[in-house]
Amino acid sequence: EEKMVESGGGLVQPGGSLRLTCAASGFTFRSYWMTWVRQAPGKGLEWVANIKQDGSEKYFADSVKGRFSISRDNTQNSVFLQMDSLRADDTATYYCARFWFGGRERWFDPWGPGTLVLVSS
Amino acid sequence: DIQLTQSPSFMSASVGDRVTITCRASQVIRNYLAWYQQKPGKAPELLIYSASSLQSGVPSRFSGSGSGTDFTLTISSLQPEDFATYYCQQVNSYLAITFGQGTRLEIK
Repeated sequence: EEKMVESGGGLVQPGGSLRLTCAASGFTFRSYWMTWVRQAPGKGLEWVANIKQDGSEKYFADSVKGRFSISRDNTQNSVFLQMDSLRADDTATYYCARFWFGGRERWFDPWGPGTLVLVSS
Repeated sequence: DIQLTQSPSFMSASVGDRVTITCRASQVIRNYLAWYQQKPGKAPELLIYSASSLQSGVPSRFSGSGSGTDFTLTISSLQPEDFATYYCQQVNSYLAITFGQGTRLEIK
């Protein structure tokens, strides 16, 4: 079964940092782009960041550029989201997903169950 | 950035109804559009990719159409498990990916 499981969420104070981990299994991880998407409570989906198979290309939403970074370890089948200078509006459930990108492929599947990040004093 | 506008944002319907949700892009995105279903407390699940291709395992009552800037998701005969929120997503450029604001579908 192809799956992702996120971890590392929790309560953090404004200005603090948090590192999320997404562990993938059931597919050849190193062959795929990966992505992070977030959802604030009661709100819609917001794309956060993408990373290429070998980590050589990374893209970020304007709302997190300069504060968040993305990386991956293909030996551990994991992708990471380092979140610094956290703000209250970063409060959300963070999902990782496999990003099908190449030729005519442009979608996210499957998604992990998500991990909740709460930024509050 | 490319904006996606879904309509309606909310709708109520009955089991057995035919339902159509539309998604309009602010620029041409060819057929690089996907649809997702999200139930409360759960992660989104892929329904349709490349505007009209049905994801494996998704019931055939779901269908997608459109190209360019205008797209639709149709559920031919609503089932109780279909009441959820639906999102469209464009990936015309991996430099910026956007979702529609969502359409919440509730039981009438």
